Amino acid sequence: KQEVTQIPAALSVPEGENLVLNCSFTDSAIYNLQWFRQDPGKGLTSLLLIQSSQREQTSGRLNASLDKSSGRSTLYIAASQPGDSATYLCAVKGGSYIPTFGRGTSLIVHP
Amino acid sequence: SQTIHQWPATLVQPVGSPLSLECTVEGTSNPNLYWYRQAAGRGLQLLFYSVGIGQISSEVPQNLSASRPQDRQFILSSKKLLLSDSGFYLCAWNTGVDYGYTFGSGTRLTVV
Repeated sequence: KQEVTQIPAALSVPEGENLVLNCSFTDSAIYNLQWFRQDPGKGLTSLLLIQSSQREQTSGRLNASLDKSSGRSTLYIAASQPGDSATYLCAVKGGSYIPTFGRGTSLIVHP
Repeated sequence: SQTIHQWPATLVQPVGSPLSLECTVEGTSNPNLYWYRQAAGRGLQLLFYSVGIGQISSEVPQNLSASRPQDRQFILSSKKLLLSDSGFYLCAWNTGVDYGYTFGSGTRLTVV
């Protein structure tokens, strides 16, 4: 059974810092990995989707990498801003229709 | 473009009352549809998923049920709500193994 762990569970940083959020998974036989952002009381917004054949994906200040062999993905946020404050979740998709979600990293960026 | 609609946004219901939450997807056909619940301080819990009309898979025994009367419509129901049914309910969809998931805006259900 796939298990997904996100470290750290919470993070508070000053504005402008470069951040790394971690996502690890136990079964490397995956189709893809997806990073989401969730603002309080809102649904999940997709940030980046990395296919198993890819090493990284970039969107603006966000960069996500995938290392299947070690069961790890990182989400890099450059020059963090207060508007980046949210919970970030990763979801790993294996051979079934069902993704496995991590518990998320709660990020606060203070001015 | 594809969009997902989920309503209502918030709902306060007394214990023992029925429930019906609706989710519809536009701009695609034959999507895989999902219902998740997110309780305070806990992760996402998959409740039901459907890969086609009339096909429902339940992930956990619940006081809830799901139906898919049309290709792009997914309904979450309960005959009698319990206090423990309170939470944030999210609908999601995707198509194909190579595609990611798209979530609705969620329904905050409070059972009183």
